[in-house]
Amino acid sequence: EVQLVESGGGLIQPGGSLRLSCAASGFTVSSNYMSWVRQAPGKGLEWVSVIYSGGNTYYEDSVKGRFTISRDNSKNTLYLQMNSLRGEDTAVYYCARHVTGAYWFDPWGQGTLVTVSS
Amino acid sequence: DIQMTQSPSSVSASVGDRVTVTCRASQVISSWLAWYQQKPGKAPKLLISAASNLQSGVPSRFSGSGSGTDFTLTISSLQPEDFATYYCQQANSFPLTFGGGTKVEIK
Repeated sequence: EVQLVESGGGLIQPGGSLRLSCAASGFTVSSNYMSWVRQAPGKGLEWVSVIYSGGNTYYEDSVKGRFTISRDNSKNTLYLQMNSLRGEDTAVYYCARHVTGAYWFDPWGQGTLVTVSS
Repeated sequence: DIQMTQSPSSVSASVGDRVTVTCRASQVISSWLAWYQQKPGKAPKLLISAASNLQSGVPSRFSGSGSGTDFTLTISSLQPEDFATYYCQQANSFPLTFGGGTKVEIK
């Protein structure tokens, strides 16, 4: 069964750092495009970052220079390193696999909540 | 960036009703559009890809249509399990963007 399980969320002060993890099973992370998508409380969905199978990465403008997407092939796990966190980064963060050859998402993980507050 | 505009933002409907949600892209995206269903506290679920391709396991009462800039999601006969929020997403170019969502509520 293809599955994604996120972890690492929590309460963090503004300016702090956090690393999210997304453990995959049933497929190989490094052979797929993988993204992070976030959803602020009561709001819509916002794409954050993608890592291609070849290793190229792209970011949404508001997180560029602060967030880093990466993966550990030996652990079949995707990561999102988040630095210089702001209140507006408060959201549920989902990892998601891109359908082969396209930029829609399937499946998604269950999400992990990041709250940035003092 | 490509802006995705969904309407309506919410709709009240009864079981058995036909419900239509529209999504408009700010520029041509061909058929690079997906629809998702999200229930409270859950992750989104891919319903339709490439504007009209129903995903495996998704009931046939769901359908998608459109190309270019204007797209539609139709639920032909609303069932109790369909009450949720629906999002469109353009997959034409980065940054990938979503519509604001349409909440389908019980009338």
